[in-house]
Amino acid sequence: DGGITQSPKYLFRKEGQNVTLSCEQNLNHDAMYWYRQDPGQGLRLIYYSQIVNDFQKGDIAEGYSVSREKKESFPLTVTSAQKNPTAFYLCASSINPGTLAFYNEQFFGPGTRLTVL
Amino acid sequence: QKEVEQNSGPLSVPEGAIASLNCTYSDRVSQSFFWYRQYSGKSPELIMSIYSNGDKEDGRFTAQLNKASQYVSLLIRDSQPSDSATYLCAVKGPDKLIFGTGTRLQVFP
Repeated sequence: DGGITQSPKYLFRKEGQNVTLSCEQNLNHDAMYWYRQDPGQGLRLIYYSQIVNDFQKGDIAEGYSVSREKKESFPLTVTSAQKNPTAFYLCASSINPGTLAFYNEQFFGPGTRLTVL
Repeated sequence: QKEVEQNSGPLSVPEGAIASLNCTYSDRVSQSFFWYRQYSGKSPELIMSIYSNGDKEDGRFTAQLNKASQYVSLLIRDSQPSDSATYLCAVKGPDKLIFGTGTRLQVFP
């Protein structure tokens, strides 16, 4: 089964705690993305990576960190510096838009819902 | 002006009717456009992509693109209650997709 998996489905964080959200894909996609979605709002890009060992900040990177050591994996750490982390976090992947600039169909994982206690 | 704009709705249509969802975008050089469906509490699902002016049909869905007017729309024929969801329009920028805030569609029996 090809697809994108995210874990955990639900995550609870205490104040001052760092947490890491997992994202794995077996679609052989080069590019991976992290988005945040708040109720009634659109998707906001946190970080993206077009190739292993390289990633770029999105629109709301402050308080988050990522790594891309393997093509299949793009974990997101929500640090204690992120003051309002309660949200729905979505991971996506696509064929590297740099090589097929015209197409950029992104496919999403099931999401992780993070709540701060 | 937002880069991708959608009416938040809700758009209410009776079962069997045609639902028309609209999206405008600001970047004239954009060439790739996508529609995602998102059920409440779930992740977005890609349902249509369109790259050329005109219409593209896939089952009950038709995407329409007018680059001169910077307008893309999604028509859903024979709407069903199971189509009730939020529909997100996305436009490809230089290195990322830019999403609208979505239109909530309600199909009532």
